[in-house]
Amino acid sequence: GQQLNQSPQSMFIQEGEDVSMNCTSSSIFNTWLWYKQDPGEGPVLLIALYKAGELTSNGRLTAQFGITRKDSFLNISASIPSDVGIYFCAGPAGDTDKLIFGTGTRLQVFP
Amino acid sequence: DTGVSQDPRHKITKRGQNVTFRCDPISEHNRLYWYRQTLGQGPEFLTYFQNEAQLEKSRLLSDRFSAERPKGSFSTLEIQRTEQGDSAMYLCASSPRSHTDTQYFGPGTRLTVL
Repeated sequence: GQQLNQSPQSMFIQEGEDVSMNCTSSSIFNTWLWYKQDPGEGPVLLIALYKAGELTSNGRLTAQFGITRKDSFLNISASIPSDVGIYFCAGPAGDTDKLIFGTGTRLQVFP
Repeated sequence: DTGVSQDPRHKITKRGQNVTFRCDPISEHNRLYWYRQTLGQGPEFLTYFQNEAQLEKSRLLSDRFSAERPKGSFSTLEIQRTEQGDSAMYLCASSPRSHTDTQYFGPGTRLTVL
């Protein structure tokens, strides 16, 4: 079945640093979604990507839909303490709308 | 603009009891999804509705699980004869007609089965 692998698994950075994480798949996705999840809460949608090569920003966050349609990248600039959480990539499985989620990247930001 | 809401946020029950969770989607969204998330994992798909029709069910959804969306608005997820393995976060999401794959999640219901 389709799987999404995220890297890195975790990151420990200092406040103010930029962050990059990525998500790869062995199969093609038509939509890439990036979510952030805080402990005990549901995932919050950050950015949605619908076309290969698309680059979309949301404040300090920028995400790209890979040209091969098998990967996506999320960058966070000038990190702040509230960026702490788990970041998931997700995409619809096959011809359905049920989402497959990546393995997650846990971000810790130190002051 | 109200998002997806779920009730209750937390539920503690004893093994063998039945539990029911409610989800209210974003009002103009016609699709509603249920996912389950265990500690350290990403959410896993359980089932989804388009209006009141249940279109797909995962193999994760055993016979003890049933979901309904009777009037195409809110949905309920019932677990009968709960087991300790049912302990998880149950997440509801909804999506708009324009992008049915773009799902907005609620805060979840944390179920603990003792």
